[in-house]
Amino acid sequence: DAGVIQSPRHEVTEMGQEVTLRCKPISGHDYLFWYRQTMMRGLELLIYFNNNVPIDDSGMPEDRFSAKMPNASFSTLKIQPSEPRDSAVYFCASRTPSGGTDTQYFGPGTRLTVL
Amino acid sequence: GQNIDQPTEMTATEGAIVQINCTYQTSGFNGLFWYQQHAGEAPTFLSYNVLDGLEEKGRFSSFLSRSKGYSYLLLKELQMKDSASYLCAVSTGGFKTIFGAGTRLFVKA
Repeated sequence: DAGVIQSPRHEVTEMGQEVTLRCKPISGHDYLFWYRQTMMRGLELLIYFNNNVPIDDSGMPEDRFSAKMPNASFSTLKIQPSEPRDSAVYFCASRTPSGGTDTQYFGPGTRLTVL
Repeated sequence: GQNIDQPTEMTATEGAIVQINCTYQTSGFNGLFWYQQHAGEAPTFLSYNVLDGLEEKGRFSSFLSRSKGYSYLLLKELQMKDSASYLCAVSTGGFKTIFGAGTRLFVKA
């Protein structure tokens, strides 16, 4: 299995621009999570989906952030407009409830820099 | 509120044993995880505890006391490649996992 796939791996953009991060979960996994990691705040859960439906988006920082999961194999996290404080590494993770251990498998992350 | 505390940094010598502690206060508890994260990489799963006691997996062991809100990760026979951040995380229910800030472990020769 290829694991969780994220693109792009690195993104540099200017303040005010729209940024779209993409994620392909592990095939068969029905939970998908978006996290943000910074030195100051550590790893924070932004939103998660079950069977393509958003379950908890309480971690989404503000309306500039939105996430979609149009099908079982694809999700996007969009920031519009982006700000320098959004600079972080964004991880996508997936899991299946049948695993028995709640284990999440993380993608390689997207390092976002907003200038 | 949700709170997970672990030391910021630790240093240990190659071949030694190190214990990384984690205390937590969360609104729910479905289990506790330890993840390893090398610099610039994604977190990878190490261990999972849902019942009190010690879980051993090779050089790594993890202990949980639910009544004390306490866990530790024990790394034996330390190797240079064990230099990484170790994240303590609690599954609080509803498939939501809260992560601690992580402990950066430096292994020296």
